Amino acid sequence: SQTIHQWPATLVQPVGSPLSLECTVEGTSNPNLYWYRQAAGRGLQLLFYSVGIGQISSEVPQNLSASRPQDRQFILSSKKLLLSDSGFYLCAWSVGGGNQPQHFGDGTRLSIL
Amino acid sequence: GENVEQHPSTLSVQEGDSAVIKCTYSDSASNYFPWYKQELGKGPQLIIDIRSNVGEKKDQRIAVTLNKTAKHFSLHITETQPEDSAVYFCAASIGGYQKVTFGIGTKLQVIP
Repeated sequence: SQTIHQWPATLVQPVGSPLSLECTVEGTSNPNLYWYRQAAGRGLQLLFYSVGIGQISSEVPQNLSASRPQDRQFILSSKKLLLSDSGFYLCAWSVGGGNQPQHFGDGTRLSIL
Repeated sequence: GENVEQHPSTLSVQEGDSAVIKCTYSDSASNYFPWYKQELGKGPQLIIDIRSNVGEKKDQRIAVTLNKTAKHFSLHITETQPEDSAVYFCAASIGGYQKVTFGIGTKLQVIP
């Protein structure tokens, strides 16, 4: 069966510090991968998606970037964090080109001080 | 782009009663509608989904209905239990790489 792992679960970082969040998927090949941010009391905002290694699409302009160095690895990064980057970050995967469900990891709670 | 509205934002029901959450979408091209349940500190988990060629789908105590003409869809939970307490999200997708637009969520509280 497929599983998705995100780490760390929680992270506290000072303003201006770098960021690296990692997501890996097991049990499937060539998944579509997604990064979302969830603000308190709000829905999920799509940040990036990837349909293959090295292929990244950004949905909103921001202080963050994403990379996919391996088929089942998706990384969310920042060179200098802002206070507004605080939130709950979720990674998700799906397979196929049609309407298939996305499956989420358990997220990373990021607090910027 | 697609806009998904969800209501109510909070819902309290007595254990054993039914709960209904409603969503509307704006893009008539949307053809896939998943529902997710998110427990505290966890990621959303898919609980049921429906495609536009189907009007209703049921899985035990959970059912979803879709009205394409009115562009709205609903989640029905019958015989609610305390473990149903969570935040529920509706979503709509046009397909392709599966960009999914989510509602803002409904916090359901089931009172024992």
